[in-house]
Amino acid sequence: DSGVTQTPKHLITATGQRVTLRCSPRSGDLSVYWYQQSLDQGLQFLIQYYNGEERAKGNILERFSAQQFPDLHSELNLSSLELGDSALYFCASSPQDTEVTQYFGPGTRLLVL
Amino acid sequence: LAKTTQPISMDSYEGQEVNITCSHNNIATNDYITWYQQFPSQGPRFIIQGYKTKVTNEVASLFIPADRKSSTLSLPRVSLSDTAVYYCLVGDRGVNNNDMRFGAGTRLTVKP
Repeated sequence: DSGVTQTPKHLITATGQRVTLRCSPRSGDLSVYWYQQSLDQGLQFLIQYYNGEERAKGNILERFSAQQFPDLHSELNLSSLELGDSALYFCASSPQDTEVTQYFGPGTRLLVL
Repeated sequence: LAKTTQPISMDSYEGQEVNITCSHNNIATNDYITWYQQFPSQGPRFIIQGYKTKVTNEVASLFIPADRKSSTLSLPRVSLSDTAVYYCLVGDRGVNNNDMRFGAGTRLTVKP
């Protein structure tokens, strides 16, 4: 158990819909990272937040957005969902914003029908 | 961020030692080498990290030659439960790792 929690574990929705994925980092960690992993694909870095501020952006679509709240939990919002958005979405955390070592949560499996 | 190259897949048998090599020819002076393990439908798990020579922990060893252009993750006496994808990452701990990328990794299959 990494100490990072994600909810929900599974999510099934329809195209065009909007969903919110939630992540609680390890106690004391200030950085939260979001990744997308499609079937049999590598992990794609989406976005990083550090202490409430956006720190880095990866291959995140404009339809996707995220935020980190004062209690350090983070939410990833996915809107206008398409079939291709079906994937595992992982959240990771680290103590600071410059850590190569990240602790990953169990992921949220999103299925868009 | 230094680009890494690893074998796509490897097969081994229970009880054998497995060595997975990662090439990172453009590694920078401040870069560290980090390995992660990922089981199906789970998040990656940190295994080991090193800068030079050899690092060993309860799970694995990491060998880094003097030129640091490659590194080898060594898993002693693997078991079926070591079947997973192993990722090699190279990055500078001192700066923002906004370019941290997981490649395709190496899919290790351990057979009975």
